[in-house]
Amino acid sequence: QVHMMQSGGGVVQPGRSLRLSCTASDFSLGVKSMEWVRQAPGKGLQWVATISSDGSRDYYADSVKGRFTISRDSSKNTLYLQMNNLRVEDTAVYYCARSDGGGQGYNDYWGQGTRVTVSS
Amino acid sequence: DIVMTQSPDSLSVSLGERATVSCKSSQSVLFTSNNKNYLAWYQQKSGQPPKLLIYWASTRESGVPDRFSGSGSETDFTLTVSSLQAEDVATYYCHQYYSSPPTFGQGTRLEI
Repeated sequence: QVHMMQSGGGVVQPGRSLRLSCTASDFSLGVKSMEWVRQAPGKGLQWVATISSDGSRDYYADSVKGRFTISRDSSKNTLYLQMNNLRVEDTAVYYCARSDGGGQGYNDYWGQGTRVTVSS
Repeated sequence: DIVMTQSPDSLSVSLGERATVSCKSSQSVLFTSNNKNYLAWYQQKSGQPPKLLIYWASTRESGVPDRFSGSGSETDFTLTVSSLQAEDVATYYCHQYYSSPPTFGQGTRLEI
């Protein structure tokens, strides 16, 4: 059974950095594209970033481009989201999700979510 | 960006009755070369991550009860719950993965 365990959230001041992790079990990150999707308090879902199955390509929402970096460590089967220069509007629950059906496809498996709060 | 608009924002349905959620995209999500609509539906219960219900607009994910069905093409899509159960109380989202950035509808809250 595919499972993804997330860690790394917390409370941070504006302008600071945070790194989120997502460790997968029962499948290899190199088989599928992986994504981060976030959900602000009381709001809907927003795509954040995608990394291709071979790790050679990454894509970002305009709102995080230049500040966030998606990456993965195949040896640890772990996906990361490095978030720099955080803003109050980045406050959300962040989900890692596996993408199927193409490079940016439907999300068939999701992590449990990790909460990020950006506040002074 | 493709804008996904769901209606209604909230819906109250009696147990055993049919629930229908609409999703409209600002442009077609039908890829003509493979005749597939790049449209998915998710269910999100309070405090939980989303769960995939339907992909390619009408393909039910493994393990999803057959009371859930998806239909539609190009810009107009529907999620139907044929006979509402208590455990179906949740927020439902449509999602287009036809073009980048992938985008979601604003969600429809389904209540008993």
